[in-house]
Amino acid sequence: AQRVTQPEKLLSVFKGAPVELKCNYSYSGSPELFWYVQYSRQRLQLLLRHISRESIKGFTADLNKGETSFHLKKPFAQEEDSAMYYCALKETSGSRLTFGEGTQLTVNP
Amino acid sequence: GAGVSQTPSNKVTEKGKYVELRCDPISGHTALYWYRQSLGQGPEFLIYFQGTGAADDSGLPNDRFFAVRPEGSVSTLKIQRTERGDSAVYLCASSLPGLQQFFGPGTRLTVL
Repeated sequence: AQRVTQPEKLLSVFKGAPVELKCNYSYSGSPELFWYVQYSRQRLQLLLRHISRESIKGFTADLNKGETSFHLKKPFAQEEDSAMYYCALKETSGSRLTFGEGTQLTVNP
Repeated sequence: GAGVSQTPSNKVTEKGKYVELRCDPISGHTALYWYRQSLGQGPEFLIYFQGTGAADDSGLPNDRFFAVRPEGSVSTLKIQRTERGDSAVYLCASSLPGLQQFFGPGTRLTVL
C-alpha cells in the first residue's frame, strides 16, 4: 500500500532563511506527487504538483524516484509562508490522494 | 464562482446518534471525494464518486459510514451510531476527472 511520510511535524525558520520540508513516499508504481498548503483559517489548497515542474510562491519540489522523495524548498522564507504543509500522492490509475501527516512551518521575523 | 461548500461547519452530537454531513461541489465537477482528518493527522480518504456512483469506497472505516450522491451533484455523508472516535474534520473535495481536487472548508464533528 502507498504511504507518505513527513518526518518533521514542526519546522521553524527565520525570515530570509532557506527552508526545506521533507517528504518521502512508498509506492510500487509511478505516482503523481503534490504539495498542499493550509493557511490559518483557510481551506486546504494545492501548492504545486510534480508534473508541472513550476515554481509557486517561490517554492519548488523535485521528484527523486531513486530516493522516493519529493522535498519542498524555498531559498528565502517569508513570514506569509507560515502554514501547514501536506505532501500527497496519487496512484497512477487512481483518483484518491494519500496524505502525509503534515509539517507546520513557522517563519519568524 | 463559488467553491466547494460544506454544511454544517460544526456539528456536536452525542454518542450513538445519527448525523448527516452535506457537500456541495463546484458546479460541473463530476468527481467528488470525502476525506476525514483527525487531530494532528493528514486527511484520510473515505470515498470517491464519479457522477452518481461510488467508484471507490474502500476508505470507509466500517458499515456505520455511508455516502450518497443521488443526482451527481450534492453528496451526503451519513454516520450511524456515532462513536467518540468519529470526532474529526470531514473534508469534501471535487474535481473534473483526473484533474486538481478543490477542497471545501470541512465540517468539524464532535461526538460527546
